[in-house]
Amino acid sequence: TQLLEQSPQFLSIQEGENLTVYCNSSSVFSSLQWYRQEPGEGPVLLVTVVTGGEVKKLKRLTFQFGDARKDSSLHITAAQPGDTGLYLCAGPTTSGTYKYIFGTGTRLKVLA
Amino acid sequence: DAGVTQSPTHLIKTRGQQVTLRCSPKSGHDTVSWYQQALGQGPQFIFQYYEEEERQRGNFPDRFSGHQFPNYSSELNVNALLLGDSALYLCASTKGTSGSFTDTQYFGPGTRLTVL
Repeated sequence: TQLLEQSPQFLSIQEGENLTVYCNSSSVFSSLQWYRQEPGEGPVLLVTVVTGGEVKKLKRLTFQFGDARKDSSLHITAAQPGDTGLYLCAGPTTSGTYKYIFGTGTRLKVLA
Repeated sequence: DAGVTQSPTHLIKTRGQQVTLRCSPKSGHDTVSWYQQALGQGPQFIFQYYEEEERQRGNFPDRFSGHQFPNYSSELNVNALLLGDSALYLCASTKGTSGSFTDTQYFGPGTRLTVL
């Protein structure tokens, strides 16, 4: 069974601090996505990484796909209260072309 | 351009009852997927509909069924509700016959179902 495990589960930091969230699996993924979900809303896609070793930047957010395509990380520089939310990684399963699995999630709270 | 809409926003049911949740995809999208998100967890894939047929199914019992209409909107039906069915039910839509993972999924705000 493919699993995506995220760490840490919870993170509470002060505005201006840096942080890294991890998404790990024992399985190889052809690609991974990162989403942010705010209370009362559905997840919103932040990025898709498709090549091992790939690094993508979205303003203060840096996403990296592991060389072996089994893990990914999200680094936020100088976190702001607006970054608060649930961060989820997701990937396609090998058991079905249209079936995706999501990670366990990292709940981030950035204090002003 | 309206995004993905879901109704109702909240719903309270008792064990054994049946529920129907509704989803309208983003304009121009023809594929709808349903997810269950328990409190504090990531979404779990229930099934995907394309061309009015179930194209892929996750590990959910037959109590969970769905339908897609010619206008691409979709319904999720859950029979014989259990306490464990309490969750946020998310609908996501994409455009593309390939259903490729890299096609961007747009999620609705979800329906919060509480089973008492």
